[in-house]
Amino acid sequence: TQLLEQSPQFLSIQEGENLTVYCNSSSVFSSLQWYRQEPGEGPVLLVTVVTGGEVKKLKRLTFQFGDARKDSSLHITAAQPGDTGLYLCAGAYGNQFYFGTGTSLTVIP
Amino acid sequence: GAGVSQTPSNKVTEKGKYVELRCDPISGHTALYWYRQSLGQGPEFLIYFQGTGAADDSGLPNDRFFAVRPEGSVSTLKIQRTERGDSAVYLCASSLGGREYNEQFFGPGTRLTVL
Repeated sequence: TQLLEQSPQFLSIQEGENLTVYCNSSSVFSSLQWYRQEPGEGPVLLVTVVTGGEVKKLKRLTFQFGDARKDSSLHITAAQPGDTGLYLCAGAYGNQFYFGTGTSLTVIP
Repeated sequence: GAGVSQTPSNKVTEKGKYVELRCDPISGHTALYWYRQSLGQGPEFLIYFQGTGAADDSGLPNDRFFAVRPEGSVSTLKIQRTERGDSAVYLCASSLGGREYNEQFFGPGTRLTVL
């Protein structure tokens, strides 16, 4: 069961462009995490957001948790080829983490 | 230090066979998770261990799937009477504790193909 829907599913952009990935749910989560996954590897944690409305920045990446803790966004400024990968959001609910459907990003040099 | 390791990296089996997938978590991590990831999808929760016990196995799809962690470290995911629909990448993750804010460290996964 995928409680979290991500959009867009695929994104191909030129180096230097900005982009936003969305993670939406009808459920409330106590925290939300963003991961990046490369082919043949497991996901790697980028950030955890906990408080509704929280904004966190990690270099060129900005993460926001919705006020109602049901949705989140990831904004990348001036994308680089090294940003290419599968971006996953995951919501914590009890003992489980529910992962989103994923956004596959390709940054073209 | 070593990260989470999973063996084998690839497993090809025939429909109806039994398979075991192994996960070696990071030393000292008490929490261990198994996930299944199908092509083009996000990981799907299967089971969560805290120490030796399965704290939450509600994600196991049916009774053909079973997982153990007898000494609170290495875990084995066991699948009986495999079906073609079981084909996926099986991911293992560990974290320091079971609290949701602890970072999960993932292994590279085992790609299971059921012919």
